[in-house]
Amino acid sequence: ELKVEQNPLFLSMQEGKNYTIYCNYSTTSDRLYWYRQDPGKSLESLFVLLSNGAVKQEGRLMASLDTKARLSTLHITAAVHDLSATYFCAVDRDDKIIFGKGTRLHILP
Amino acid sequence: DAGVTQSPTHLIKTRGQQVTLRCSPKSGHDTVSWYQQALGQGPQFIFQYYEEEERQRGNFPDRFSGHQFPNYSSELNVNALLLGDSALYLCASSPRTGMNTEAFFGQGTRLTVV
Repeated sequence: ELKVEQNPLFLSMQEGKNYTIYCNYSTTSDRLYWYRQDPGKSLESLFVLLSNGAVKQEGRLMASLDTKARLSTLHITAAVHDLSATYFCAVDRDDKIIFGKGTRLHILP
Repeated sequence: DAGVTQSPTHLIKTRGQQVTLRCSPKSGHDTVSWYQQALGQGPQFIFQYYEEEERQRGNFPDRFSGHQFPNYSSELNVNALLLGDSALYLCASSPRTGMNTEAFFGQGTRLTVV
């Protein structure tokens, strides 16, 4: 059974600091997603990672994928308050997406 | 391109009632999947439809059923509603074949069971 584990589950950090969210998954996958979710809203797709060594960046967020270690990271650089949200890692295998529990990120001004 | 659209956006039902949620996939997509997201949790896979048939199913009881129409749109039906069915229901669509089979999510339907 495919399992996805994120850590930390909760993160409170100061503006301007850097931090990394980790995502481990238990079996091979077709692709890995990172999503952002604001309270009461749907999922906003941030990154789709397909191959080993893939790295994508958008603004202050950078995602990477190591398929051999079954590990993806979401790195936040110089955090700003607007990045406060819940971030989900999800793995797509055989057209079924399995989500982690999410990381609730709170950035303090 | 309207993307994935779901209706209604919010719904309040009484315990024991039945509910139908609707999803129109993104243009060019023929596969629809449904997810349930309880408060504070990650989305959980309910089932997937392709060619008007249920192709995969997650760990949900038979009270949860679905349908896909020839135009690829889909419905999620939940019978005998329980308080625990209160959640955000998300629909995702994707193309079955091709170079890019990335899934796209709709805005969700917030179901409250009272």
